Amino acid sequence: TQLLEQSPQFLSIQEGENLTVYCNSSSVFSSLQWYRQEPGEGPVLLVTVVTGGEVKKLKRLTFQFGDARKDSSLHITAAQPGDTGLYLCAGPFSGTYKYIFGTGTRLKVLA
Amino acid sequence: DVKVTQSSRYLVKRTGEKVFLECVQDMDHENMFWYRQDPGLGLRLIYFSYDVKMKEKGDIPEGYSVSREKKERFSLILESASTNQTSMYLCASSTPLGQGAYEQFFGPGTRLTVL
Repeated sequence: TQLLEQSPQFLSIQEGENLTVYCNSSSVFSSLQWYRQEPGEGPVLLVTVVTGGEVKKLKRLTFQFGDARKDSSLHITAAQPGDTGLYLCAGPFSGTYKYIFGTGTRLKVLA
Repeated sequence: DVKVTQSSRYLVKRTGEKVFLECVQDMDHENMFWYRQDPGLGLRLIYFSYDVKMKEKGDIPEGYSVSREKKERFSLILESASTNQTSMYLCASSTPLGQGAYEQFFGPGTRLTVL
């Protein structure tokens, strides 16, 4: 069974701190997406990683796909209150277009 | 930019009513999905469609049906709404990137309350 485990589940930090969120699986994924979701809204796609070892940057956010395509990380530099939200990793279930979702990381950045 | 829109942001219905949730995407995606999201349970797949008039059950299809008459539109139907169907409903569409990779986009969600 393909599963995506995220850690940590909850994170509360001060503005300006750095943080890393992890998304791990024992299975290989052809691609992984990272989403941010705010209360009452749908998840918003932040990035898609496809190639093992790939690193993508989105302003203060850095995403990495593991060499074996079994894990990914999201690093936020100098977190701001606007980064507060639920972060989800997700990827297509092997051989299908159904999606597996990570367990989620709820981030709160305090001003 | 990919746009997935949902017909309502908030809905309040009574038990036993028939409820229609509409979703439209403007990027010619073949795959469309309906999820519900509940605290502590994450996103759960209700139904998905990989082509017009084609549909497959997801993990929790009971009490729901779907319709896809046009490529851009995917409707979720609650035949007889019940209080345990109170939830956030999310529509999504996806596109292939090649070599088994896909990219999925979500709509803004519909918060349904069944009284």
